[in-house]
Amino acid sequence: AQSVAQPEDQVNVAEGNPLTVKCTYSVSGNPYLFWYVQYPNRGLQFLLKYITGDNLVKGSYGFEAEFNKSQTSFHLKKPSALVSDSALYFCAVTRRGAGSYQLTFGKGTKLSVIP
Amino acid sequence: EAGVAQSPRYKIIEKRQSVAFWCNPISGHATLYWYQQILGQGPKLLIQFQNNGVVDDSQLPKDRFSAERLKGVDSTLKIQPAKLEDSAVYLCASRSITNEKLFFGSGTQLSVL
Repeated sequence: AQSVAQPEDQVNVAEGNPLTVKCTYSVSGNPYLFWYVQYPNRGLQFLLKYITGDNLVKGSYGFEAEFNKSQTSFHLKKPSALVSDSALYFCAVTRRGAGSYQLTFGKGTKLSVIP
Repeated sequence: EAGVAQSPRYKIIEKRQSVAFWCNPISGHATLYWYQQILGQGPKLLIQFQNNGVVDDSQLPKDRFSAERLKGVDSTLKIQPAKLEDSAVYLCASRSITNEKLFFGSGTQLSVL
């Protein structure tokens, strides 16, 4: 079985400040990890993924995430938050090598960037 | 490129009625997923297709839910009869066999009264 924990229901950050959205995962074997963003009344949009290689991955809109195998974490970060970053963020995991890419999602973290 | 298309955008029905959702994936994407997203939760996989075959439907409540992808392109998800707890957003996603990334549609928001 695989699972994702997003410990914070909501994260508030001031515009221009760095932001972090936390994610920890559990999966048998090695993981593929993803971050998706959801704006109101929209589907999920892909931000970034970790497959293999460099632990720091860069994605869309200036976001990045760091894979930490020992802590089974994949926190989402951005150096300087924008008001337009306010949305719902989902972390997801699937087992590498499974081939089906059946993503298991966390419950989501609502990010609010305050002007 | 065109994205994943879903319809209808919203649907309101009474319990015990039936409802169907339609999905048209990105052209060429062999893999199609249906997810259920209940308010305040992350999306939960219902069923996965590879072309017109079912890969995994272990989390689909088969006593009331059914899905098909007859020609390996469009897909339909049906609920009959609907229950109050089926109120959710139903998301369709597709993926090409050469890419790990799922592309999601905007979803169908179902309210069961």
